[in-house]
Amino acid sequence: DAGITQSPRHKVTETGTPVTLRCHQTENHRYMYWYRQDPGHGLRLIHYSYGVKDTDKGEVSDGYSVSRSKTEDFLLTLESATSSQTSVYFCAIGRTTNYEQYFGPGTRLTVT
Amino acid sequence: GQQLNQSPQSMFIQEGEDVSMNCTSSSIFNTWLWYKQEPGEGPVLLIALYKAGELTSNGRLTAQFGITRKDSFLNISASIPSDVGIYFCAGIPTGTASKLTFGTGTRLQVTL
Repeated sequence: DAGITQSPRHKVTETGTPVTLRCHQTENHRYMYWYRQDPGHGLRLIHYSYGVKDTDKGEVSDGYSVSRSKTEDFLLTLESATSSQTSVYFCAIGRTTNYEQYFGPGTRLTVT
Repeated sequence: GQQLNQSPQSMFIQEGEDVSMNCTSSSIFNTWLWYKQEPGEGPVLLIALYKAGELTSNGRLTAQFGITRKDSFLNISASIPSDVGIYFCAGIPTGTASKLTFGTGTRLQVTL
């Protein structure tokens, strides 16, 4: 298994509160990604990083921000959580030499 | 955002049967990946394909990169109960660097 952990694995929070999800890798891969998975929509890219302090938006980035201060950590922040952000969030990592991405175990977030 | 067309959406098969599923796109792809996801877990990479016409096996799984570069196929031979899950195709369209586009998934159920 690729060395990817996500924390927390489950979280319930109230509308309007800030939430930060963490992805940690031990593989020293350059690329890191955040996806959300919802019924009927599949996996959709939120943000990704192509190096320390280098990030870019994906297709569903509104309401989310990211930061990557170290190669091994990629943080996803919901500044003010909304019910539409209830979802399962997956982190993935990838190398530059091929396009394979390896996924973490996911974080189930419920916004009430 | 673009999603790949994956079919069938779901399959109910008996143990021992062979399974075929496919993924199509209107765009040309450089890379095709096949993932399996089980309940409560992240997608796991099964097979990666990089050249048109490429045929790659992983145990009882065989995948092919279509010669038009717009489709890919996954076959599972002699299915067993642990094959149950959702199978996703994913690809890298030309000109999109390392950002994956995902299929809608094929849900496989195996009966004894």
